[in-house]
Parts: sequence; structure tokens; C-alpha cells
Amino acid sequence: GQNIDQPTEMTATEGAIVQINCTYQTSGFNGLFWYQQHAGEAPTFLSYNVLDGLEEKGRFSSFLSRSKGYSYLLLKELQMKDSASYLCAAMDSNYQLIWGAGTKLIIKP
Amino acid sequence: IAGITQAPTSQILAAGRRMTLRCTQDMRHNAMYWYRQDLGLGLRLIHYSNTAGTTGKGEVPDGYSVSRANTDDFPLTLASAVPSQTSVYFCASSDSKGQGTDTQYFGPGTRLTVL
Repeated sequence: GQNIDQPTEMTATEGAIVQINCTYQTSGFNGLFWYQQHAGEAPTFLSYNVLDGLEEKGRFSSFLSRSKGYSYLLLKELQMKDSASYLCAAMDSNYQLIWGAGTKLIIKP
Repeated sequence: IAGITQAPTSQILAAGRRMTLRCTQDMRHNAMYWYRQDLGLGLRLIHYSNTAGTTGKGEVPDGYSVSRANTDDFPLTLASAVPSQTSVYFCASSDSKGQGTDTQYFGPGTRLTVL
């Protein structure tokens, strides 16, 4: 079957660094997406990885290991506005997204 | 209009009633999607459309129907609502070329409560 696993909730301190992990099992693989979702709002696109390695985009970076079925999202210099849920989604062989339940990130001052 | 709009924003509906959730995009994206989001679960695909005139079933299609008469609009209909359809519904679109870079963009969502 197809499955995405990520932690339910994480807590971090303002100004610190946090890593949100995601493991996936899909029928075929066409890339890994990360989305941010603030409470009561729509998901918004953060990053896409299809090749192994690290993609850096400002304070946010995303890593992929296809052989391990593993990705992480790294958030640096945390700000209070980063408090949100972070959704991991893998694209299967039919180009459909399989979504994780999301990781709620709580930032404390 | 900029991006994707959904209507209504929220709705309380009696069980057994028919309801249509509206979705319109102005990005000329060929692909559109309907998801439901429930607490503790990932987004689940209800129906999708790769291009105007075609539709397909997702992971949880039962009790829902869609149509895609043109590029911009993708309404979702609940023929006879049941309490288990209480959820937040998101419409999304992508400029899909059948490639992995097909990023999906989401509307603001409709919060539906079926009593």
C-alpha cells in the first residue's frame, strides 16, 4: 500500500533550527512535495525534490533520499510566523499526490 | 479573481440534502482536484480532472460527483449529504503535464457540517 509517515507534533524555540522528517512508500515515485498550512487556511507550496540531495530556499531547505524513502524539511532561524502544520506529499506513478497527516510545529518564544 | 476561489466559505447542511461546492480558477490550469481534510488524516483525493471534459475517481469518491464543462470551473456535488461528509473541502489546480513538477495550488477551502 501507499503510506506517508511524519511526526504529529513538534515544538521548537524562536531563532532555533528544526528538522521535520517524512518517510514514504508509494507505487512508483515522481517527487516529494512539502507544503505549509496555517490553521484555518489552505496549504501553500514550499518545495519539491525529485533527485537525491538538498534543495535550499532561503530559511527553508528540503532533503531527499530516494533509496531510503526519506525526506526532511529544515527550517532555520525560526520565527513565530512559522507556527503551522507542514505537510509531506509523495507523487506516485500516476502523478497523484499521497499526503501525510501533517506535522504541527509549535514555536515558543 | 486571482488564483482559485471556492464558495461557500462554510455551510451547515441537513442530512439528506443536496449540496454543490463551487470552485473556479483563473490560471488556465488544465488539471483540477477536490480533496477533503479531516483531523488527524492527510488530504484525501475525492475526484480529479486532467482536462476539461474528463474526470476521474480518487481515493474517496463515494457519495460525491463532479463535472468539468470548461477549464475554469470544477463543482463538487453531494447528492444526499451524510454526517460522515462533515469536513473541510479544498479545491486545487495544477498546470499538469504529467510530470513530477506539477505543483498543486489550493483554494481557501469550504468548511461543511452535515447534521
